Amino acid sequence: DADVTQTPRNRITKTGKRIMLECSQTKGHDRMYWYRQDPGLGLRLIYYSFDVKDINKGEISDGYSVSRQAQAKFSLSLESAIPNQTALYFCATSSTKPIGTDTQYFGPGTRLTVL
Amino acid sequence: DAKTTQPNSMESNEEEPVHLPCNHSTISGTDYIHWYRQLPSQGPEYVIHGLTSNVNNRMASLAIAEDRKSSTLILHRATLRDAAVYYCTSWSNYKLTFGKGTLLTVNP
Repeated sequence: DADVTQTPRNRITKTGKRIMLECSQTKGHDRMYWYRQDPGLGLRLIYYSFDVKDINKGEISDGYSVSRQAQAKFSLSLESAIPNQTALYFCATSSTKPIGTDTQYFGPGTRLTVL
Repeated sequence: DAKTTQPNSMESNEEEPVHLPCNHSTISGTDYIHWYRQLPSQGPEYVIHGLTSNVNNRMASLAIAEDRKSSTLILHRATLRDAAVYYCTSWSNYKLTFGKGTLLTVNP
């Protein structure tokens, strides 16, 4: 079984709808991340969490919110989806090694299309 | 956050070495350099990381310039399965910052 799972894998929705993307991990890691990937732009960080009580904004958090329900679960919500949020979304986890040395493990991604 | 610059694409032949360059001239002295790669239709996967010294692992080698303004990821014998987008990233301010990456094509 995969260590980092994302649901759903694909989602098509309409403008204005509320959408939740879920991420679960079995690696026992404290740190979790949400990234967005657009063609030609690489990965951009949306939010990150270093433990259950810690939530931090990344470089593109506007229009998104997150919830860290447990150590193993980190959800990303789009309160009112808009077409320019159409993208590939990745969840990642990492352990609490010394800063700078930890490795991030990525999920398989969720392809979101907002019509 | 340090900015990384990589060529958009590179091409190699199977079983030949590949040197993927990265410029990170604004990196601070304590920021680690990480490389990830993304195979088609998959999430990124870790390749290697380093701070000042050259590093080797089973996947690749990382050569870091003495002034730390650039680094090179070395795949010693490229295979078709190495075709991917390779990202040079920096670990700073408690997070990784990804650039646009280099698309590596491996010819049989």
